[in-house]
Amino acid sequence: DTAVSQTPKYLVTQMGNDKSIKCEQNLGHDTMYWYKQDSKKFLKIMFSYNNKELIINETVPNRFSPKSPDKAHLNLHINSLELGDSAVYFCASGTGAYGYTFGSGTRLTVV
Amino acid sequence: GENVEQHPSTLSVQEGDSAVIKCTYSDSASNYFPWYKQELGKGPQLIIDIRSNVGEKKDQRIAVTLNKTAKHFSLHITETQPEDSAVYFCAAVTRSNQFYFGTGTSLTVIP
Repeated sequence: DTAVSQTPKYLVTQMGNDKSIKCEQNLGHDTMYWYKQDSKKFLKIMFSYNNKELIINETVPNRFSPKSPDKAHLNLHINSLELGDSAVYFCASGTGAYGYTFGSGTRLTVV
Repeated sequence: GENVEQHPSTLSVQEGDSAVIKCTYSDSASNYFPWYKQELGKGPQLIIDIRSNVGEKKDQRIAVTLNKTAKHFSLHITETQPEDSAVYFCAAVTRSNQFYFGTGTSLTVIP
């Protein structure tokens, strides 16, 4: 019955590889988001999708690309991984007016 | 855009004491202020929120106050317990439903 689920929970990979993180929500929300949390716990928004349209795209490297096959899914693809990409990535869904529901996070470690 | 500042960054209290976390925001048009609790290894969870037409809201041991004139809001936790130990984030949401998170407060409740 998880509201926002993301997989995998842990991801260890080598520099230069391409990886994906999947996210699914069963809350019926129209908007989904990807956040990056660094070692200092700062939460930085990366992308949001509303009805399959990108509506926020902060200044993230174009190696990161969100893909939304439908309203319930927003996957994150990362190409040519770098050491600095190591962080915890959170998927979320919801609206600004009523708060977000976050997934449990994917800890990405690039070695 | 909106700018949210959160203090302190770390806070240690004895079990049973109260804890207060303060946030300030810059955009007077922001009208929704949620608080999130992030436990170790988990995603942030909404614990309480307040809208701009309300000055205070309580939910058991947790309360939030809002001072629109001074543009600051605070989270109050009374009778703290070890399970309150976590990272807490405030956020301000603008009328266009854009979220701006604070930088987080790591709360430790000492038994």
